[in-house]
Amino acid sequence: NAGVMQNPRHLVRRRGQEARLRCSPMKGHSHVYWYRQLPEEGLKFMVYLQKENIIDESGMPKERFSAEFPKEGPSILRIQQVVRGDSAAYFCASSPPRSGPNTGELFFGEGSRLTVL
Amino acid sequence: DQQVKQNSPSLSVQEGRISILNCDYTNSMFDYFLWYKKYPAEGPTFLISISSIKDKNEDGRFTVFLNKSAKHLSLHIVPSQPGDSAVYFCAAILSGGYQKVTFGIGTKLQVIP
Repeated sequence: NAGVMQNPRHLVRRRGQEARLRCSPMKGHSHVYWYRQLPEEGLKFMVYLQKENIIDESGMPKERFSAEFPKEGPSILRIQQVVRGDSAAYFCASSPPRSGPNTGELFFGEGSRLTVL
Repeated sequence: DQQVKQNSPSLSVQEGRISILNCDYTNSMFDYFLWYKKYPAEGPTFLISISSIKDKNEDGRFTVFLNKSAKHLSLHIVPSQPGDSAVYFCAAILSGGYQKVTFGIGTKLQVIP
């Protein structure tokens, strides 16, 4: 009964390289959310996806960041040409298809910690 | 624009005593308020929530109180246990649309044995 799986847990990149973070939602969950936690800050919403659709990317930086959730396989958060300010913990969360009012209960993975040298 | 504010970065409490974590919000349209708990190197886990039409919700040792007129909520943990030592995030959501949760910056609780 696996929870939300994220990999890699830790990723080190040099400035200018690309970072790819993967997230497999809980079984039966079709909604994926990505959050970022910068040092000494709370979690900030980045993007909300359903299978093959980006529903809300209002929290994504305008450049270098992209996300996808293909029909098959995990959701991917991609950061191109990383800079030191991208160093953070990136959390993926999932939720089941909604059958009632949103209550805010999300199931989080353990996070991927990106360090940019 | 920080819509959910946790003004105390840390709190230390003796085991067995009450822990009170506070949270303020600015958006009066929020429908649900939540508390998440996070251990180091782990993801946040949902702890307890309260609808905006309620003023109290209790679950075992955890009780959340909501004061809508003051735009304030608090989490009470009684009695506090060393295993409660973690970062607690206050959060809020609008019920329409989808599960886009707005988080505070967290309060680190240390329960001293």
